[in-house]
Amino acid sequence: AQSVTQLGSHVSVSEGALVLLRCNYSSSVPPYLFWYVQYPNQGLQLLLKYTTGATLVKGINGFEAEFKKSETSFHLTKPSAHMSDAAEYFCAATEYGNKLVFGAGTILRVKS
Amino acid sequence: NAGVMQNPRHLVRRRGQEARLRCSPMKGHSHVYWYRQLPEEGLKFMVYLQKENIIDESGMPKERFSAEFPKEGPSILRIQQVVRGDSAAYFCASTGLQGAIGNTIYFGEGSWLTVV
Repeated sequence: AQSVTQLGSHVSVSEGALVLLRCNYSSSVPPYLFWYVQYPNQGLQLLLKYTTGATLVKGINGFEAEFKKSETSFHLTKPSAHMSDAAEYFCAATEYGNKLVFGAGTILRVKS
Repeated sequence: NAGVMQNPRHLVRRRGQEARLRCSPMKGHSHVYWYRQLPEEGLKFMVYLQKENIIDESGMPKERFSAEFPKEGPSILRIQQVVRGDSAAYFCASTGLQGAIGNTIYFGEGSWLTVV
């Protein structure tokens, strides 16, 4: 069965520093991959998605992620963190079916 | 959040009561999903519906939980005889004709259920 693992339930970075949130998936076939952001008491907003084609995917708010099949990874990065990036981030995957499997989430804290 | 409307946003129920959560998908979307987010956990898939059909309910608890998506009106997630462990955020999501494959799934703002 598909599973998604996010390394690090909490990540803390300084404002202006690189953001790296890790996501690995387990799948016998290349899945479709997504990153969502959730602000407190709100729903999920799509940051970016990988379906086919270019393995480096650019999303909103300066985020990007790279699909690496050999590493079964889809890590999320942003060159320079902003205070407004503080939120919880979820990696998700889907295979042939019509349901997303989510990782447990990573809470990003941005220090001033 | 791209037009998926959920209500109520917050619901408080006493143990043993029923909870009904409603979801109106984004305009033009015919696929609806329900997810549950327990405190300190990620989202867990519950059920996937199309109009008048349950496609996948593999994540639904065997008892007390049911879902429907009628031809007219919103999708309803119904929890009978609620218990404290049902306290969670329930998210509805929708997508277009091709389902999740290749299409973006849009989430609602969630319904927070508290059982006292």
